[in-house]
Parts: sequence; C-alpha cells; structure tokens
Amino acid sequence: GDSVTQMEGPVTLSEEAFLTINCTYTATGYPSLFWYVQYPGEGLQLLLKATKADDKGSNKGFEATYRKETTSFHLEKGSVQVSDSAVYFCALSDSGGYNKLIFGAGTRLAVHP
Amino acid sequence: DAGITQSPRYKITETGRQVTLMCHQTWSHSYMFWYRQDLGHGLRLIYYSAAADITDKGEVPDGYVVSRSKTENFPLTLESATRSQTSVYFCASSEGEWRAGSYNEQFFGPGTRLTVL
Repeated sequence: GDSVTQMEGPVTLSEEAFLTINCTYTATGYPSLFWYVQYPGEGLQLLLKATKADDKGSNKGFEATYRKETTSFHLEKGSVQVSDSAVYFCALSDSGGYNKLIFGAGTRLAVHP
Repeated sequence: DAGITQSPRYKITETGRQVTLMCHQTWSHSYMFWYRQDLGHGLRLIYYSAAADITDKGEVPDGYVVSRSKTENFPLTLESATRSQTSVYFCASSEGEWRAGSYNEQFFGPGTRLTVL
C-alpha cells in the first residue's frame, strides 16, 4: 500500500542554519503531497502542498518540490528561526480518495539561539 | 467559537471503561476524520466520515466506534478501553465534494490526550 518515509529526528540546529528534512513516498497513481507542522500543544496545520510532479510548494520560507523520478518531497528552509521548532509531517493523499491522508512518522525540529 | 474543537483535552481512565471523545466543527465541512498519534507512527486514521450517517473504517479501527448523526459532530467511543489505546487523538475536517485528482485541506483540532491505566 501507499506509504511515507521521513528522516528520523530529532533534528537540532542553530538559528539561521539551513534545514532539510527528507521525505520519500511509495504510491500508486499520482498522489498530492503535503507538509504539515505541529507546534507544541497544538493540532497539525498545513504548511505547504504540491499536487503534481515538478510542482514546488512554498510557505513561510519553507519549500518542497514534488520529484516523481526520485519519489521525494524534501522540505527545505534557508534560515531557520527558534519559532520553527515543531514536529513536521510529510503526507500524501490516499489513492482511495475522500480527502484521506497517509502520514509519515514525523520529524521533530529543535532550533537553538 | 468558530473552528474545530475537541473535548475533553485530557482524560485518564481505567482499563475496561467506556470513553467518548467529542469533536465539533462549525464550518459545516462534509468530511471528518479521527486519528491517533503515537511516537514512531505519526498519525494513523481510525475512522472517517464523508457526510452525516456515512462512516467508514480507516487503518486502525479495532476497539473504536463512531457515529455522525449531525454534520458538525463526530464522536469517537472506546467501548472497553485498553492500555494500548493510550494516545493523543486528533479530529480533523475538510470541505467539499471529493473527486479524483482533487484534495481539500484538512483542519485539525487541538487533540485529546488519553491515558488508560
């Protein structure tokens, strides 16, 4: 079945460092891909999405490009801030539809001043 | 308040007891979902609903029951709680009519942390 694999955390960075969180997927058909973010004590929020190959999603300085040839959707940010500390989830749209999502295990990011 | 709310936010119960987690959304979204979040597993879908009175199983439905008599409410019941059901539970909703190739963003509630002793 469809699945998402994320790099294990935690990822610990200093402020202004470059961030990459790797995400690869296995899917039938042509799923949409997403990054969700979960701040401490809160539910998940959509960070960005891409609906077809070569699309780039971007938001709040974060970017991810839908790479069909490598089945990847890596999250990047050029300069992280302390406020970016959170858990990041990669997800894909379930081939069965109905707006269902399949999530990766999540990657915790800690940014220190 | 507008949005999606869950209650209670924290619950401690004992093995064998029945527990109901509530979810309420004010947007009249068609779709609603229940997930559990466990370390190392991310979020796993328990049940989902495409409309009032239409529900279906997700990845991990065993031990759970749902109902949806009104569009805005989607309660999740653990009929006889077990320790393995200790988790954080998230409710989510999304709008629109699903069609192949489309996707509507899911909006998440703040979660309920459930501990089963």
